[in-house]
Parts: sequence; C-alpha cells; structure tokens
Amino acid sequence: DAGVIQSPRHEVTEMGQEVTLRCKPISGHDYLFWYRQTMMRGLELLIYFNNNVPIDDSGMPEDRFSAKMPNASFSTLKIQPSEPRDSAVYFCASSLYRGHTEAFFGQGTRLTVV
Amino acid sequence: AQSVSQHNHHVILSEAASLELGCNYSYGGTVNLFWYVQYPGQHLQLLLKYFSGDPLVKGIKGFEAEFIKSKFSFNLRKPSVQWSDTAEYFCAVTRPNTDKLIFGTGTRLQVFP
Repeated sequence: DAGVIQSPRHEVTEMGQEVTLRCKPISGHDYLFWYRQTMMRGLELLIYFNNNVPIDDSGMPEDRFSAKMPNASFSTLKIQPSEPRDSAVYFCASSLYRGHTEAFFGQGTRLTVV
Repeated sequence: AQSVSQHNHHVILSEAASLELGCNYSYGGTVNLFWYVQYPGQHLQLLLKYFSGDPLVKGIKGFEAEFIKSKFSFNLRKPSVQWSDTAEYFCAVTRPNTDKLIFGTGTRLQVFP
C-alpha cells in the first residue's frame, strides 16, 4: 500500500476563495482523521470518521470548515471562504481499529491563504 | 477535558548526549500512549506505543518510554542521541473506549555534531 495520500501538497489561495483538501486513506482502515498543525496551537484534531461516518467534529473551528467521506477510499476537507488565519499544514491520518492502534499520517497539505 | 502536556518546547543537545522528553496527560482513566516523530519536512511517524503490560516500552531507533501511572507520565528517552534524531517529537493519548488521538504541542530536538 502506498500509505495515506494527500493532495495537493501545497496550496496557495487568496482570501475568500474556496479550498478543498483531499485524502485517500490506507485500504481497509476504518478510521480517518483530519488534523491541523500550526506553530501556535500544535496538532489539533479537527474531525474524524469511522466507516465513513463523522463521529466527532468538535474540533472544526468554524462553519467555514466542512468535511466529507463519501466512500471508504476518499475524504475531503473544505474551507469556504478561506481566511489568512487558516494557513497551516493539514494532515490526514488513518487507522485500523477502535481504541486507536497506530495512526498512519499522510504527507500533509501546506495551505497558505494570502 | 483530556489534555497532553509537553513541557520541553525546544531541546538542544550534542551528539552522544542522553535525551529525556517529558509528557504528562490529564486524564485519570485507562489510556493508550504514543510517541510520534516528525522529521523536517515530513509527516508524523510512530516511534513507540503503550497499550498495556510492561510499562517500559522499546521503540524504533533506540528510543524507549516509561509509563508511570501514578505520575500520569510517559517520558521518552534515548541514551545517546545522533544528529539524525533532529526532529519534532509528539506525545499522544487516547482512551481505549474513545477514538480521539490527542497530541501534545511537540518538542523540537536539535542535535549538533
């Protein structure tokens, strides 16, 4: 397996534009997590899915953020409209079992909103 | 609320020095504990994990961690660091009957030759 795949690796966009980040988890993994990493706040859990169903989205900062998982092999994180303070590295991770065995992380998407 | 504290934000060592990075968590129940490493420009990778059993856990690349329940701690250690250990290290915690993996703020380690 190629691991968790995220796209794009880098995204630069203007304030107010819609941004969509994509993630392909490892095949067979039941859990998918979206994290945001910033210098100030470290790694924050935004939302996670189990079997494509959102379980906890309490970490999503605002209504401007939304996430979907239409099938077991694909998830998106959308920011609309984007703001400069959304600039961060966004990581997707997947894992096998409840109780959280090892989480495998993607390479991340570095988002810059200007 | 469950939280994870890493008190060392930035550690600078010379090669061959010993390393200990602190990690404390606030939750009092049964937990699963992890240390992840993030090399410059890369994604997070698992170093080691503790679910149950022997509280002294051996990981990759010579790292180990000790779970001390009474202190709510899971400190990471390495007897002799190398330049290639330069990275950011994250402690993380979950409870077995929840699925949320919560990370500490990370410790940046710089090792000089």
